[in-house]
Amino acid sequence: QVQLVESGGGVVQPGGSLRLSCAASGFTFNIYGMHWVRQAPGKGLEWVAYIRYDGGNTYYADSVKGRFTISRDNSKNTLYLQMNSLRTDDTAVYYCAKKQGNPDYFDYWGQGTLVTVSS
Amino acid sequence: DIQMTQSPSSVSASVGDRVTITCRASQGISSWLAWYQQKPGKAPKLLIYAASSLQSGVPSRFSGSGSGTDFTLTVSSLQPEDFATYYCQQANSFPQTFGQGTKVEIK
Repeated sequence: QVQLVESGGGVVQPGGSLRLSCAASGFTFNIYGMHWVRQAPGKGLEWVAYIRYDGGNTYYADSVKGRFTISRDNSKNTLYLQMNSLRTDDTAVYYCAKKQGNPDYFDYWGQGTLVTVSS
Repeated sequence: DIQMTQSPSSVSASVGDRVTITCRASQGISSWLAWYQQKPGKAPKLLIYAASSLQSGVPSRFSGSGSGTDFTLTVSSLQPEDFATYYCQQANSFPQTFGQGTKVEIK
């Protein structure tokens, strides 16, 4: 069965950095695009970033462009999100999600990892 | 960016009721729309994709319709496990965008 397990969340000060990981299993990781989606406390869903199956193409939300970097290691079946210059409004639960075919629907999600940006 | 607007923001309903949620896109998105269900403290779950295709394992009481800019999610007979928040999402173009959510509460 498909499993996505995020890790790496925690408390960080404004301006700090954090790297999230998403360990994938139960499917052929290297043939699917992957996404990060976040949800601020009590708020709705916000798409953050996408990476193509081979890492050859990436897209970002304007709110994180230039600060966040999505990457993947297909040999380790792992997705990453490097977050730099963190701001208080980046506080959210971050989910990794698997792309379902074309176009970009999210058919499997991880349990989420909480990132809190606070001084 | 394509804006997605859901209505209502919340709805109170009883078990057995028929519930309809609407989602409007700020520009045409063909049928590139999905619906998700989210329960408190849990990840969203894909219910409907391509506007009207039922995701595997999702009960048939859920259905979706629409194309272009106007879409609906219908639950034909609400069950206790259906009380949750529902989101629409457009997959027509980056950035993917979600509606603000509709909370289905127990009357």
